Amino acid sequence: EADIYQTPRYLVIGTGKKITLECSQTMGHDKMYWYQQDPGMELHLIHYSYGVNSTEKGDLSSESTVSRIRTEHFPLTLESARPSHTSQYLCASSESYDEKLFFGSGTQLSVL
Amino acid sequence: EDKVVQSPLSLVVHEGDTVTLNCSYEVTNFRSLLWYKQEKKAPTFLFMLTSSGIEKKSGRLSSILDKKELFSILNITATQTGDSAIYLCAVANAGGTSYGKLTFGQGTILTVHP
Repeated sequence: EADIYQTPRYLVIGTGKKITLECSQTMGHDKMYWYQQDPGMELHLIHYSYGVNSTEKGDLSSESTVSRIRTEHFPLTLESARPSHTSQYLCASSESYDEKLFFGSGTQLSVL
Repeated sequence: EDKVVQSPLSLVVHEGDTVTLNCSYEVTNFRSLLWYKQEKKAPTFLFMLTSSGIEKKSGRLSSILDKKELFSILNITATQTGDSAIYLCAVANAGGTSYGKLTFGQGTILTVHP
């Protein structure tokens, strides 16, 4: 079944650790996105990609980085996690010609 | 800068009530407006509206867009406890490097009591 997967669902780590949040989709979508969401707040776009080897920063500045080596895979990396990075991270994908997003279940990150 | 404002921020009703959720927006180059339902974590798609005055309907949910007044409403009739969720409104920009990117509102938290 075509879907979009995020792992892990929950992550609690200490300050200074390097982490990678995984996102994979089996729908063959060219466009992929990372959104950050704090409780009661809007989803903010932090990274997006329109295809392999294409990545752009979103509207909200983020210390994270992304890569798009394969169409189906769009991992997000934090080199040195800090408590300010505590948030929910949502990955999404869409068709090239469509703004309708399909979301993963999210990763809730807590940095102590 | 594109902007989406939703109201109310929170709403508590009883089963069977009808609710109306509001979404107003400012966007430099409007392409579409989308509604999502967020339960637990993953937002799920409800409607996409591009034309003014045309109602989209799915079961007890319906939505309409007014491009002149720059707002949309989402109606839910005969609410059920399973409708409890955060309802997100988003607009898509059609212009240049903003093409297809969504700007989200804060969401309306709907709680339906038995």
